[in-house]
Amino acid sequence: DQQVKQNSPSLSVQEGRISILNCDYTNSMFDYFLWYKKYPAEGPTFLISISSIKDKNEDGRFTVFLNKSAKHLSLHIVPSQPGDSAVYFCAAHFQGAQKLVFGQGTRLTINP
Amino acid sequence: DTAVSQTPKYLVTQMGNDKSIKCEQNLGHDTMYWYKQDSKKFLKIMFSYNNKELIINETVPNRFSPKSPDKAHLNLHINSLELGDSAVYFCASRAGPQQYFGPGTRLTVT
Repeated sequence: DQQVKQNSPSLSVQEGRISILNCDYTNSMFDYFLWYKKYPAEGPTFLISISSIKDKNEDGRFTVFLNKSAKHLSLHIVPSQPGDSAVYFCAAHFQGAQKLVFGQGTRLTINP
Repeated sequence: DTAVSQTPKYLVTQMGNDKSIKCEQNLGHDTMYWYKQDSKKFLKIMFSYNNKELIINETVPNRFSPKSPDKAHLNLHINSLELGDSAVYFCASRAGPQQYFGPGTRLTVT
């Protein structure tokens, strides 16, 4: 039973434009949502997070939006840069259980 | 200065062998994890230790045995390796909801 889903396995965006990565979840007990970025042959690195009591969090070019009623979150990257090409994982944190549940990732490619 | 390190980075071995992967973190975190990333690229939690005590065991075959000699180290020993164990294994440590990952160990069982 997949509790966190990223339905787009890949996304291609032109440099300078906005990249929007989407994530859906099923469990209302998640209290934090996180986005990780992963380059080949490296471990995932933390990008940005949002508490379940917020609806937006912004950090430089990265903004995460949370729609609790729809159980949906999205990561916006603007403007997109070539170095943003990577696999992006959405993760949800279980309140009190100290564990993360990951989506299957979306491969983002930024084209020059 | 590496925060979470794993050794080896690559491991190729034959079915039936026993192997270990080591993990160390210098972040001072109390909680560490092992994840498996399979061929479908899902990152799935296997184990978690908090200050040397096992707190999460996600129905992993008992051929997998984690060991935490101290809170900075979490090793993974795998007995009687099978083809299906081929995957990338990531170690992580935790601060709040955020986890910090090692570079991964690619295990190939032939």
